Amino acid sequence: DAGVTQSPTHLIKTRGQQVTLRCSPKSGHDTVSWYQQALGQGPQFIFQYYEEEERQRGNFPDRFSGHQFPNYSSELNVNALLLGDSALYLCASSLSTGGWNEQFFGPGTRLTVL
Amino acid sequence: DAKTTQPPSMDCAEGRAANLPCNHSTISGNEYVYWYRQIHSQGPQYIIHGLKNNETNEMASLIITEDRKSSTLILPHATLRDTAVYYCIVRVDNADSWGKLQFGAGTQVVVTP
Repeated sequence: DAGVTQSPTHLIKTRGQQVTLRCSPKSGHDTVSWYQQALGQGPQFIFQYYEEEERQRGNFPDRFSGHQFPNYSSELNVNALLLGDSALYLCASSLSTGGWNEQFFGPGTRLTVL
Repeated sequence: DAKTTQPPSMDCAEGRAANLPCNHSTISGNEYVYWYRQIHSQGPQYIIHGLKNNETNEMASLIITEDRKSSTLILPHATLRDTAVYYCIVRVDNADSWGKLQFGAGTQVVVTP
């Protein structure tokens, strides 16, 4: 059973460009969360998708948007890239049932903005 | 969610127990304590969580003080593969917080031979 997968593993963009990152959740999971991790810091919550809608959002500008597909996979889009967007972007999946459910993280996509 | 305070780093000898402290003095009665770890170049991995009772699983033990203002994660026999950043997170388990984990800077644990 494959865990959470993300693509691409590495990406280099220039300021002002747009980027799309992809995530496939663990089999059976229906909820996807995205995090940004700057070098030397802990991951910061961007947003969460469930039933193809954004359910929660962290303190990130509208340049960050997402989408969830019927098969529960998800995309993270970042427009008008800034140097400060350089980070590891992590995707986590979970099953949305009552109570707590463990989040499983993917290996991340390393984005470098030049 | 309550804030947590962890030491930035600590060393541990292979085979010995590693005791990782976490302060969460403003924790509320309905907030759980979670521990995750992140091995270099990987995503975070869940370790254990608890509300007020001590918890143990195959990876670690979690000791929560009676006043719940601090906790300790215990890795009973540290191995080199336990070298990682360990995060202590306090959060409420409800629909508003599902999926929203608030990570701090964590503790860099280095296990040495």
